[in-house]
Parts: sequence; C-alpha cells; structure tokens
Amino acid sequence: QAVVTQEPSLTVSPGGTVTLTCGSSTGTVTSGHSPYWFQKKPGQAPRTLIYDTSNKHSWTPARFSGSLLGAKAALTLSGAQPEDEAEYYCLLSYTGARVFGGGTKLTVL
Amino acid sequence: QVQLRESGPGLVNPSGTLSLTCAVSGGSIISSNYWTWVRQSPGKGLEWMGEIYHTGSTNYNPSLKSRVTISIDKSKNQFSLRLNSVTAADTAVFYCARDGGYVSGFDYWGQGTLVTVSS
Repeated sequence: QAVVTQEPSLTVSPGGTVTLTCGSSTGTVTSGHSPYWFQKKPGQAPRTLIYDTSNKHSWTPARFSGSLLGAKAALTLSGAQPEDEAEYYCLLSYTGARVFGGGTKLTVL
Repeated sequence: QVQLRESGPGLVNPSGTLSLTCAVSGGSIISSNYWTWVRQSPGKGLEWMGEIYHTGSTNYNPSLKSRVTISIDKSKNQFSLRLNSVTAADTAVFYCARDGGYVSGFDYWGQGTLVTVSS
C-alpha cells in the first residue's frame, strides 16, 4: 500500500502564508491522484477544503488554495487566521483505494 | 440538505464484530456518489476504510480488506460497515461521508461515533 507523507507540524504567524505538502511513496503526485485536503479540529468531523487538486467548496475560505507543486500536492494558506489552527490531512486516490497522509498540525502563532 | 448519521453499539468485545450504520436523509443513496467510512483512533490520524457505490461496487483499504465489509440498503437509504475480529487497536471515532468525486468531493459528513473495543 502506498504511503502518503505530510509535514508533521508547521507554524505560521497570523496574517502569514504557509504551504503544506502531500507526497506519495509511489512517485510524483499528479492530478490523477485527485488530491483532497481536509481540516480537522478536535471533537469535530473533518471539513473538506479542497477536492480534485484545486476545487473549493462553497464553505472553503478564499485564503485556502490547492495546487500541484513539484512532485507533490500542496495546500497554501495565505493570510492565516487564529481559527486556522488545526490538523490538515491530504487524501490521495490510487487504483482501488485511497490513502490519507499522516496529517500536519498547523499552529498559528 | 443532505444529512448523514452514524449509529451502532458504542462498546464491542475483543474478537467480536463492529457494526455501524449510516442513515442518509435529504437525498437519495442511489446517486452518483461514493459512500465512505473513515475512522480516527485516539491520538492518531484519519484512516480511509472503504467506500461503496449504489451499484454495490466496493473498494477497501488493503490493510483492512480481510476484516471489513461495506454494504448498502437502498430500501432504507443507508449503508453499513462491518469490521470483524476487532482488537483494542480498532477503538476509534468512525465517520461516514458522501464523496461526490470530481464533481463535489467529500461534501457531507456524519458527526462521528465513538466505538470502544473492550471487555
């Protein structure tokens, strides 16, 4: 089974910009992996921010964006807010299965 | 507004079978969506368990494949999860979700239900 890798933790200053990445043990992440990004806060269900690499839901704040960056999928937060402090998970699709990354704990400080 | 709600026993004996149901309201389970189960063990990350299409076609996490079954009941507009031979490591909050794929992604989630494996 493929392993999906994310930075364990990142810190961003309020108003700052940070990029979270999502890599695959099988090689370059492409649009074919249909990357998803989720925000998870304690005691809450995951909230989908990005699907199919860069598509946003109606509830996704404009400061979040998804892309492919080099060999990885990326989630960029521009203008971080205190409420963005959370765990962020990517999800990649493979033939017949999907795999979550280990998550990135984002601190806004 | 589509709503998903998980239900099932909150406590399961070791070596037993964990069974959960996700009731779908406000929309039909017979639609172009995948119906998915995700779990999160205490202190751990999210784990994709598997998905089912309304045709009955399924995909499972290879690490769970021998123990997991996802089924669909169109008459009740719900889908279910069964996990056999559970151990304490299967203690988790279980979420059901609707995945609209490239059209809408994971657009609806249940609130989650905690299942503890313990005697």
